[in-house]
Amino acid sequence: AQSVTQLDSQVPVFEEAPVELRCNYSSSVSVYLFWYVQYPNQGLQLLLKYLSGSTLVKGINGFEAEFNKSQTSFHLRKPSVHISDTAEYFCAVSPSGGYQKVTFGTGTKLQVIP
Amino acid sequence: GAGVSQSPSNKVTEKGKDVELRCDPISGHTALYWYRQSLGQGLEFLIYFQGNSAPDKSGLPSDRFSAERTGGSVSTLTIQRTQQEDSAVYLCASTSRIGSSGANVLTFGAGSRLTVL
Repeated sequence: AQSVTQLDSQVPVFEEAPVELRCNYSSSVSVYLFWYVQYPNQGLQLLLKYLSGSTLVKGINGFEAEFNKSQTSFHLRKPSVHISDTAEYFCAVSPSGGYQKVTFGTGTKLQVIP
Repeated sequence: GAGVSQSPSNKVTEKGKDVELRCDPISGHTALYWYRQSLGQGLEFLIYFQGNSAPDKSGLPSDRFSAERTGGSVSTLTIQRTQQEDSAVYLCASTSRIGSSGANVLTFGAGSRLTVL
């Protein structure tokens, strides 16, 4: 079974400052990793994904994440946030290969302060 | 269809009543998931259907919850004898493989908000 831990339930950050949202996972098999974003009053959408290959993954809106197998982490980063980045961010994991159950973390609310 | 469609978008019911929530996935997507989103609880996995295989029901919280998927397309999540703790947003998602890698990138519906009074 897989699990995902997002230790930070809320992260306040000033506009134009950098941000890192932390995600750690647990799995006994190789995994795929995802970040989804939910803007206020909207549905969830994919931000970025790691399947294989380069451990640095770039997504939409200037976000990127780095897969670190030894630390079982997949932290999300952005060098300079905007007010429009205010949203809830969910990390997710699934076993690699075939259709598999996707397990989500509890989410991190990013609050960008003007 | 163009996206994942869920109905109703909002449902208010009285404790003890049964409710049915419907999900119409993207045409051609063979895997379908139900999640529950409660305040502060993140996304709680409920059940997952993949093609003609037996569904993974490991996330259903009690025997009051059941789901079916007819004809490999539309799915219905049924909650019997609703309780106040069932109040949440119920999200449906469907997925198709990315190329040959089989990754599970989910496309979510807008959700069904259930309020049990």
